Amino acid sequence: QQQVKQSPQSLIVQKGGISIINCAYENTAFDYFPWYQQFPGKGPALLIAIRPDVSEKKEGRFTISFNKSAKQFSLHIMDSQPGDSATYFCAASISNDYKLSFGAGTTVTVRA
Amino acid sequence: DAGVTQSPTHLIKTRGQQVTLRCSPKSGHDTVSWYQQALGQGPQFIFQYYEEEERQRGNFPDRFSGHQFPNYSSELNVNALLLGDSALYLCASTISGGETQYFGPGTRLLVL
Repeated sequence: QQQVKQSPQSLIVQKGGISIINCAYENTAFDYFPWYQQFPGKGPALLIAIRPDVSEKKEGRFTISFNKSAKQFSLHIMDSQPGDSATYFCAASISNDYKLSFGAGTTVTVRA
Repeated sequence: DAGVTQSPTHLIKTRGQQVTLRCSPKSGHDTVSWYQQALGQGPQFIFQYYEEEERQRGNFPDRFSGHQFPNYSSELNVNALLLGDSALYLCASTISGGETQYFGPGTRLLVL
């Protein structure tokens, strides 16, 4: 069964707008939550990651919000740019397990 | 510093054949994981190799097997290919004890 559920499947945002992608998980043993960005024909690249001891982490225009009690986390892309057009995957794993469980992905299209 | 490399980039096989995919991890990395990414889906964990042994395995049949060499490079073998094995096969490497998995560009396998 899918351990990480991701929504929406796709979204379109105007340049300069905010993209929001949501993920939910069931396994409370998960303690590492990375987001990956994938361009067509390429492998996923780590964008940003968070652990459940913090509620928010920001790196440049990318912010992860984490709600441990709701077992949900989200990615916010601020000031979206055409170069951000890609597929984004949330994932989860248990420390020292290395087995990543991925969401189904969200295709983001930023219109100029 | 070369990242994770995979070969070949593309491969076409017919049902029932066998295939071998290859991966060289990022310099200094000793742990290699393999993932299968079907079209429009998130990557699914196949197995992980450390110290030349399979350390973990996902929900994949025994037709999927692997190997890790003393230089940490790895192979993924798939026997008796099915049409459903058509996918992008991703290799990811990390340092044992490290959090971040670095993905290669993948091998696109098409089974006819």
